[in-house]
Amino acid sequence: LAKTTQPISMDSYEGQEVNITCSHNNIATNDYITWYQQFPSQGPRFIIQGYKTKVTNEVASLFIPADRKSSTLSLPRVSLSDTAVYYCLVGATSGSARQLTFGSGTQLTVLP
Amino acid sequence: NAGVTQTPKFQVLKTGQSMTLQCAQDMNHNSMYWYRQDPGMGLRLIYYSASEGTTDKGEVPNGYNVSRLNKREFSLRLESAAPSQTSVYFCASSEGPRTGYEKLFFGSGTQLSVL
Repeated sequence: LAKTTQPISMDSYEGQEVNITCSHNNIATNDYITWYQQFPSQGPRFIIQGYKTKVTNEVASLFIPADRKSSTLSLPRVSLSDTAVYYCLVGATSGSARQLTFGSGTQLTVLP
Repeated sequence: NAGVTQTPKFQVLKTGQSMTLQCAQDMNHNSMYWYRQDPGMGLRLIYYSASEGTTDKGEVPNGYNVSRLNKREFSLRLESAAPSQTSVYFCASSEGPRTGYEKLFFGSGTQLSVL
């Protein structure tokens, strides 16, 4: 299983761009990189997913270098409501079975 | 469209009691999962079911059993609850099994306290 390493916490101010980096040195060839967001008392929610280079949606961008050993989630112009825990997840496959492992996550706090 | 529904939302047990956490999804997903989340920590996989009729252990299966009742429902049972099982439990589902691609949909969680 590919393990991930993220910063434990980050602070930012409203309106700034936030970049959260995740390390996954033993990522497998078929693995995708997925980021989830979790608010208190809620289940995690899918944000974005990618395999290589750059992916962008209405919420965030995901940058993945050529070696795929790390990835960076970019949140443009954050607001107070973006305060949450962000998880980097690397998919692992085993035949027809699936095991997905969450890391410890990054607590992002957006300050006014 | 309810997505993933978990019951109950809250539960208090005494040590040694048993209970079953229920989970149902209405997205016609093949794979379902049970996670636990302890304060200040990430989610740890307890059991998962890649498809109807199959179940496999995750990272922390001890003290738990699961049943994939049908394609929609996946239950988690604590036979003899212990204080160490105090946690928030999340059920999730995904289309799976698909190579290299996965998107999980989570329920709102069950907060369990074992006294």
